[in-house]
Amino acid sequence: EDQVTQSPEALRLQEGESSSLNCSYTVSGLRGLFWYRQDPGKGPEFLFTLYSAGEEKEKERLKATLTKKESFLHITAPKPEDSATYLCAVQASGAAGNKLTFGGGTRVLVKP
Amino acid sequence: DAGVTQSPTHLIKTRGQQVTLRCSPKSGHDTVSWYQQALGQGPQFIFQYYEEEERQRGNFPDRFSGHQFPNYSSELNVNALLLGDSALYLCASGSRGSGANVLTFGAGSRLTVL
Repeated sequence: EDQVTQSPEALRLQEGESSSLNCSYTVSGLRGLFWYRQDPGKGPEFLFTLYSAGEEKEKERLKATLTKKESFLHITAPKPEDSATYLCAVQASGAAGNKLTFGGGTRVLVKP
Repeated sequence: DAGVTQSPTHLIKTRGQQVTLRCSPKSGHDTVSWYQQALGQGPQFIFQYYEEEERQRGNFPDRFSGHQFPNYSSELNVNALLLGDSALYLCASGSRGSGANVLTFGAGSRLTVL
C-alpha cells in the first residue's frame, strides 16, 4: 500500500528564515510526486510535479527536490504570504486512473 | 477559464440523513475524483470516475456512492450520515493519460453532521 509521511507537522518561521519540509514515501512504482499548497478553507493548489530521482523544480521562493525515498520542499527567505499548509502526494504507476495518496501536510506560519 | 466548481460550499445535516454534493470539472478534463479531508489531515481518496463509471475506490464504505454524467460532472452521495463524516469534501478533475497528470481541485464542500 502506498504511504506518504510529512514532517514536521507544523513550522513557525520568521520572515526571511529559510527552511525545508520533508516528504517520505513508499510506492510500488512512482508515476509522479506532487506538491500542493492549501490555504485555510480552500482546495489544494498545484505547485510542482517531480518524476524521477535527482529532479528539481523551482517557483519563486520554493524549490522541490526528489530522491528515491523522499522529497524536500525548500522555502528560501519566506514571506508572510507563504503561510499555508503544504501537501505532498504520490501517484503510482501501473494502476488505472490518477489516484493521489497524500501525506498529512506541513502547516507553515511565517511571521513578519 | 473556470476551474473546478463545487456546490454547496457549506451544509449542515443530522445523523442518519443523506447528502448529495455536486462537482463540475475544469474545461477539457474528463475524470473526476472525490477526496475527504478531515480537519488538520491530508485528503483521503474516496473514488474516481471516468467514462461514467467508478474506476478506483479507496477504503470507504458503501454508504459513499457517486455518479458521473455525460457532461463529465459528478455527484457524491453519502447515506446514513455519521458524526465522523464531518469533513471537507474535495472534488478533483484531470485527464486520462499514460503519464503523471496534475489534478485540479475545487474549493470543497464543508459538511457538518450534528
